[in-house]
Parts: sequence; C-alpha cells; structure tokens
Amino acid sequence: DGGITQSPKYLFRKEGQNVTLSCEQNLNHDAMYWYRQDPGQGLRLIYYSQIVNDFQKGDIAEGYSVSREKKESFPLTVTSAQKNPTAFYLCASSHPRAGGDQPQHFGDGTRLSIL
Amino acid sequence: AQKVTQAQTEISVVEKEDVTLDCVYETRDTTYYLFWYKQPPSGELVFLIRRNSFDEQNEISGRYSWNFQKSTSSFNFTITASQVVDSAVYFCALSLWDSNYQLIWGAGTKLIIKP
Repeated sequence: DGGITQSPKYLFRKEGQNVTLSCEQNLNHDAMYWYRQDPGQGLRLIYYSQIVNDFQKGDIAEGYSVSREKKESFPLTVTSAQKNPTAFYLCASSHPRAGGDQPQHFGDGTRLSIL
Repeated sequence: AQKVTQAQTEISVVEKEDVTLDCVYETRDTTYYLFWYKQPPSGELVFLIRRNSFDEQNEISGRYSWNFQKSTSSFNFTITASQVVDSAVYFCALSLWDSNYQLIWGAGTKLIIKP
C-alpha cells in the first residue's frame, strides 16, 4: 500500500545534540512538508519541498534543517539551536498541481522529547 | 491576510447526538480550496474533504455533511448520530491559488463523544 512512513515513532534528544527524523513516501508525490504540532495547538509549517534538491523555509524554520536528495525522502534534522524541540512532528506529501487543490497526505508522526 | 478560525476549542456531546464544527475563513482571493482533516488519538491526519470556491453545493458522505457558504465565509462540518469513534481533533484548512502549495490551518476543534 502507498503511504508515508515516519520513523522513529518516539525520539529523545539530549542537550546539545542534533537528531534526525525520517520521512519516506511511496506515493510518487513531488511535494513534501514538515509540520510541528504542540499540545492542543494546530500545525505550523517548518519546511517544504516542491521538487528534488529544492526546499523552502516555512513559518518556523529556525533551529531545523532538511535535505531532499531523493523524491521519496525528506529527512528533518532538529539541531541544538532549537531550544524547545519537544513537540509532535508530522510529515506530509502531495501532488503540487497549480492551484493548490491537492490534499496533503500525512505520516503517523514522531514525538520528540528532551532528556 | 489569509486566516482560518475554528472558534470551538473543544466540544463534548453524548453518543448519537448531532454535532456541528464551525470553520470561518478569510481571503480576498476568488479561487481557493477548503479542506477538513481528522486527527484521531493515534496522531495521523486523515483527509476528509476538499471543496473549491466555485462549488457551493453541500456534500454528504454517510453521517458526515459539509455546508459551504461563501456569503458568510464558512465551511461547517456536521456529524449526524455521532459515535465514540468520531472522537478526534478536526482541522479546517485553506489553500490559495498562489499559495505555493501551503495550507493555512485552523487551530482545530477537539471533539469528545461520550458513550
């Protein structure tokens, strides 16, 4: 079945450590996204990518980095510069047709906590 | 400015009651798309429906129905004969013609269905 796989499901970060969250999709979608969700709140866009080797900052990109070397993969690194990384991270993908009418499909998410 | 407002932070009803989740949006664009997503306790967001700005026809899918009214900039979601499995956080989102594939998200409404 086609879908989006995020790993790990739970992740713990020590002070000063960089951690990487994995996102893989087999939906043949060109566009991929990373969102952060804090308890009781909506989704905030961290980074998005419309095509391989290209990505754009979202609303809260500081302290995060991404790469898009393959169409299927869009890993997110939470760097030590992100002082409050505890949150639920969601990866999504979509067909980037002009007009923005394509729904985004989501993975199961990764819960990141500070040790 | 573009914005999506879900004024109801949390709604609690008894099973089999009908419940309506409100969504009000702001945009000056004439072409746009509205979405509803469901986020069950497991965390993954599930796409429910998409509606474009030129189609004001209401839609019904089983116990779910959506009422789109451009005159009041609203896209409300009604669940008829609610069930415990409907308990989730529901998000409304807006996509614009030139949004660069980004979604503008509401804060979400937490729906609790009591048995």
